[in-house]
Amino acid sequence: NAGVTQTPKFRVLKTGQSMTLLCAQDMNHEYMYWYRQDPGMGLRLIHYSVGEGTTAKGEVPDGYNVSRLKKQNFLLGLESAAPSQTSVYFCASSWTSGGPLTDTQYFGPGTRLTVL
Amino acid sequence: AQKITQTQPGMFVQEKEAVTLDCTYDTSDPSYGLFWYKQPSSGEMIFLIYQGSYDQQNATEGRYSLNFQKARKSANLVISASQLGDSAMYFCAMREVPRRALTFGSGTRLQVQP
Repeated sequence: NAGVTQTPKFRVLKTGQSMTLLCAQDMNHEYMYWYRQDPGMGLRLIHYSVGEGTTAKGEVPDGYNVSRLKKQNFLLGLESAAPSQTSVYFCASSWTSGGPLTDTQYFGPGTRLTVL
Repeated sequence: AQKITQTQPGMFVQEKEAVTLDCTYDTSDPSYGLFWYKQPSSGEMIFLIYQGSYDQQNATEGRYSLNFQKARKSANLVISASQLGDSAMYFCAMREVPRRALTFGSGTRLQVQP
């Protein structure tokens, strides 16, 4: 049982390049999330998904796109990377059973992205 | 809009002593959840403890307890008998019921000294 995994762990991009971050969970969770963490700050929500085939915007969605074609996977895309997107990206997932006040989010190990 | 405030950027504690990390929150929703996560230097986010807004008793998980004062909108984390391995960043977070996403505070860096 791997939990939440993220690929890749590290990446360096040049301004204008594109890339996709992959998040996979094996806990059959319905909800999945992408956050970013900048130095000295807490995590901020980029996009999230409440189920297969659905996505929604979070607090800081500009410059990112997401897709959830399979329940276990949640992809985060950067179409044209900018230095302001240098950050650590975390994926998380949670389930719907147990009631709306008890589901805990479990996080992947993070992806450290640098945009030059 | 929801907001989480952690006013202690850094804290020091002696090994084996107890420490309290402060967290205040602001929300107009009657239903919400409060979480604490630990982030060691390796970077992963580790879930520590949860408190629901309707829970009558303060949550406890081993050496961690949450001092929940609803009227004051505070949810402080208490770590008893600190260990060197407790040195890390600690984040308080609040979960909105409709979408279940978390809003995080800016964190407190705890350093446990031998």
